[in-house]
Amino acid sequence: DVKVTQSSRYLVKRTGEKVFLECVQDMDHENMFWYRQDPGLGLRLIYFSYDVKMKEKGDIPEGYSVSREKKERFSLILESASTNQTSMYLCASSLSGSRTYEQYFGPGTRLTVT
Amino acid sequence: KQEVTQIPAALSVPEGENLVLNCSFTDSAIYNLQWFRQDPGKGLTSLLLIQSSQREQTSGRLNASLDKSSGRSTLYIAASQPGDSATYLCAVQGGSEKLVFGKGTKLTVNP
Repeated sequence: DVKVTQSSRYLVKRTGEKVFLECVQDMDHENMFWYRQDPGLGLRLIYFSYDVKMKEKGDIPEGYSVSREKKERFSLILESASTNQTSMYLCASSLSGSRTYEQYFGPGTRLTVT
Repeated sequence: KQEVTQIPAALSVPEGENLVLNCSFTDSAIYNLQWFRQDPGKGLTSLLLIQSSQREQTSGRLNASLDKSSGRSTLYIAASQPGDSATYLCAVQGGSEKLVFGKGTKLTVNP
């Protein structure tokens, strides 16, 4: 079974802190994704990576950056956390050529910025 | 820009009922459509993936259909159980590796 893990289930940070969210997948997937999920807005793509050191902006990249130094790990960085970044963050992965392959999701990180 | 709509936003049914969840999308040029389940406070679990060349997929009590030309998909759940209570999301994939999600249907199955 594909396994996608996220470093924390719950995280509380203060405004202005630098925050790292980590995601690891164990199935050698080329593609990795970071989404945020908010009530009434659904899932929105923040960033997407299709290979090591490769990234592409999603729909809402402002205030975020990402790092992918190894194939299995994709990090989301909040350079200076703000209260409007309080949200559920979901990581996903898929094989390349994923038109025929599913995206697999991690359990999510509930981030609260105070 | 692709938009995905799920109606109804919430649904409550008695146990044992057969039910249908709806998903519509505005751009029919899709490669696949995926149905997910999400339990409260948890991540998404993939249920079914239908490729654009397929009409339906089945897994146990679940059956998903796809009518690409009309921009519609349905998820049929047979003999619903309280354990089926969750939010169900559909997502479509167009010309890139990215998915576009609907906002989900929250299903409650009452014992």
